[in-house]
Amino acid sequence: AQSVTQLGSHVSVSEGALVLLRCNYSSSVPPYLFWYVQYPNQGLQLLLKYTTGATLVKGINGFEAEFKKSETSFHLTKPSAHMSDAAEYFCAVSEAGNMLTFGGGTRLMVKP
Amino acid sequence: DTEVTQTPKHLVMGMTNKKSLKCEQHMGHRAMYWYKQKAKKPPELMFVYSYEKLSINESVPSRFSPECPNSSLLNLHLHALQPEDSALYLCASSQDPDRGQVIKKQTQYFGPGTRLLVL
Repeated sequence: AQSVTQLGSHVSVSEGALVLLRCNYSSSVPPYLFWYVQYPNQGLQLLLKYTTGATLVKGINGFEAEFKKSETSFHLTKPSAHMSDAAEYFCAVSEAGNMLTFGGGTRLMVKP
Repeated sequence: DTEVTQTPKHLVMGMTNKKSLKCEQHMGHRAMYWYKQKAKKPPELMFVYSYEKLSINESVPSRFSPECPNSSLLNLHLHALQPEDSALYLCASSQDPDRGQVIKKQTQYFGPGTRLLVL
């Protein structure tokens, strides 16, 4: 069975600082991995995804993530945080049947 | 265009009411999903429709009744709900599911959700 762990339910950074949101997964087969962002009172928006090929994936709004099979990780980074990045971020893994398994979420807070 | 729309945005209903949530997509996607999301939690899968047929029901109580009248529309009929059913209900869709094989590349696109309050 697959599972996703997001370390840190809350992460706080200063504006302009590096953003690092951690995601580790367990999967019996090569997974497909996703990061979604959810702004207050909104649905989930796809930030980026890894399926096959290049392990460094670039997404929208300056975010990127690197798939590291040996570490079973898919951490999300952004070089410089902006106030508008404050939101809930969900890592998800997909195995059989296209079902998504979500991590518990990380709330990113950006301080001015 | 990767838009999934949901109506209404907000819904308040009593425990004896009957109401419906509506989801629509015009991306030609043939898989559609209902999720329930409680505050500060990830979405929980409720139902999956594949080619307009119910393929997954995650042991959801019968007071929730999904319907897929055509490939673009997905409804969730609500009846005799409980206060603990108050949540954000999210709809999502993805491209053609392969009925017989594992498809992992299909990205799910989410709608903005309906925030439901049951009194």
